[in-house]
Amino acid sequence: EAGVAQSPRYKIIEKRQSVAFWCNPISGHATLYWYQQILGQGPKLLIQFQNNGVVDDSQLPKDRFSAERLKGVDSTLKIQPAKLEDSAVYLCASSPIANTDTQYFGPGTRLTVL
Amino acid sequence: SQKIEQNSEALNIQEGKTATLTCNYTNYSPAYLQWYRQDPGRGPVFLLLIRENEKEKRKERLKVTFDTTLKQSLFHITASQPADSATYLCALGASGTYKYIFGTGTRLKVLA
Repeated sequence: EAGVAQSPRYKIIEKRQSVAFWCNPISGHATLYWYQQILGQGPKLLIQFQNNGVVDDSQLPKDRFSAERLKGVDSTLKIQPAKLEDSAVYLCASSPIANTDTQYFGPGTRLTVL
Repeated sequence: SQKIEQNSEALNIQEGKTATLTCNYTNYSPAYLQWYRQDPGRGPVFLLLIRENEKEKRKERLKVTFDTTLKQSLFHITASQPADSATYLCALGASGTYKYIFGTGTRLKVLA
């Protein structure tokens, strides 16, 4: 079974630029999560989708971050404009059923904002 | 506010010994608790899930306990090996919600 795919793996941008990350979850997984992991910290949930609907986006900085999950499969996370404090690893995870099932994480995208 | 605490300092133990990691929480009533392993440059990998009505869960050399009175979970690795060296994260989930809150993780180093 293929795992969660993410791209790019690394991205370096200047502050105020835009960036987009892509995630392809495990086939058949209805729930998709985007996390932000700052160095030395645990993952922090940004947004959760159930199929193509948003379940929780309470910690998503909506003035600069946006995410979509078209057709309930792939998802993109965008930052516009980026700030220095957005430097982090952005992790995508998926699970077949929310809450009690495990989350399967992708390798993450390491973003550096200069 | 909700707070999850894991040992911020790295834990170094000798190969063959039992490693014990702690996860303490406040202002939270989790229905589930998970433990993940994270290697450098990789995403977390699920290890074990324990529910609030379960006291203990085992999987091979791993054991997790969950004490809702003490608001604490302990994660044990018996007969530790250098390959067990990684960061271990605990994550708490509340009943009726769909999200988990992660701790900051504890770095474990098993010395040969």
